[in-house]
Amino acid sequence: SYELTQPPSVSVSPGQTASITCSGDKLGNKFASWYQQKPGQSPVLVIYRDTRRPSGIPERFSGSNSGNTATLTISGTQTMDEADYYCQAWDSSTGVFGPGTKVTVL
Amino acid sequence: QLQLHESGPGLVKPSETLSLTCTVSGASVSSSNYYWDWIRQPPGKGLEWIGNIYYSGRTYYNPSLKSRVTISIDTSKNQFSLKLSFVTAADTAVYYCASRPISSGSGFDIWGQGTRVPVSP
Repeated sequence: SYELTQPPSVSVSPGQTASITCSGDKLGNKFASWYQQKPGQSPVLVIYRDTRRPSGIPERFSGSNSGNTATLTISGTQTMDEADYYCQAWDSSTGVFGPGTKVTVL
Repeated sequence: QLQLHESGPGLVKPSETLSLTCTVSGASVSSSNYYWDWIRQPPGKGLEWIGNIYYSGRTYYNPSLKSRVTISIDTSKNQFSLKLSFVTAADTAVYYCASRPISSGSGFDIWGQGTRVPVSP
């Protein structure tokens, strides 16, 4: 079965850039989405189709996808960005999530 | 504005069938513009995709759950439902319903608030 891997945690100082990677076999040939989840809340879509931001998502969130790695970048990270982030892709009509990355802003 | 709301029993016993319903407002489950998905999250763990259904009734399931999962659609009530049979403690999770536009590369853009389902004797 298809698997996605993410680092368990990423730490970033306020105002700096956080990069979260998501790796999978030939992931660049698929579309990647990214979700933000804060404690006790439902996930929120922050990036879809590799690079696109839904309405209402701040410009500091951006995405890329090439080769075997998709990346979510948070520029000018704010304390409100502290959350778990999950990547997601499709493999033969089956949805696959990465294990999640906890982003700590300190 | 599209909204989703999960409902179902608060507790399920081992070996029984978990049944949940997602009520859709602001859109029709008969729309050809969306897939309707179920996703779950065990306590303290990550997200797991369960499956989805299209207005035509076409379904796709996670291979790891396929033998126990049924997703159906009720156009008269504007709802879609999940049934998971022969549950065990490992099925204890928050269950979410979500919508996904059919355009290629779209993500789960709308999520329900989630419903917590413990599996316990």
